[in-house]
Amino acid sequence: GAVVSQHPSRVICKSGTSVKIECRSLDFQATTMFWYRQFPKQSLMLMATSNEGSKATYEQGVEKDKFLINHASLTLSTLTVTSAHPEDSSFYICSVSRDFSDTQYFGPGTRLTVL
Amino acid sequence: GENVEQHPSTLSVQEGDSAVIKCTYSDSASNYFPWYKQELGKGPQLIIDIRSNVGEKKDQRIAVTLNKTAKHFSLHITETQPEDSAVYFCAASTDAGKSTFGDGTTLTVKP
Repeated sequence: GAVVSQHPSRVICKSGTSVKIECRSLDFQATTMFWYRQFPKQSLMLMATSNEGSKATYEQGVEKDKFLINHASLTLSTLTVTSAHPEDSSFYICSVSRDFSDTQYFGPGTRLTVL
Repeated sequence: GENVEQHPSTLSVQEGDSAVIKCTYSDSASNYFPWYKQELGKGPQLIIDIRSNVGEKKDQRIAVTLNKTAKHFSLHITETQPEDSAVYFCAASTDAGKSTFGDGTTLTVKP
């Protein structure tokens, strides 16, 4: 398996502020990282796929200017929610894999609440 | 694109009984099928996976079967325990890497 950490585990912010969430692969080099959001009692919805050193690929309907993804190294990817609004409140989860078609290992998630 | 259907949405069993969760997929190119267990407030945890060149895989009390012709795969948990209570997700993915998840099954194991 793989050990994946996310920071912070939960964050509360005011509407209009930006929030950065970090995803770290602790025990292997993750070529590919995925970002998901999950609403209560619902499935995981893929937001974007990022490969180290290149631009992220966003899913249809996900605003790339609102959800900024940076995958600067093989062990770290960040998701920045810019100008957050209450509707952005959700559980954000990252996953890592050694390559694009390999097994995904998930982080513990970040609970974002926008007031 | 790929569509994954998962049934049932909720499942309640008595401790010691078996639990079966079924998923169907639409894309015949899908060749990797993982199962994840998610506890409340936590990220999904991979519990077992199967690739299309295998029909069945077992790991202690957990097994997964795959029928590529019918495009369905199932999770089997035997001798269930209260700590097996969680939400279980199936997923299907192709060599392109992107996984499509089922809607999840809430399993409750009653002591």
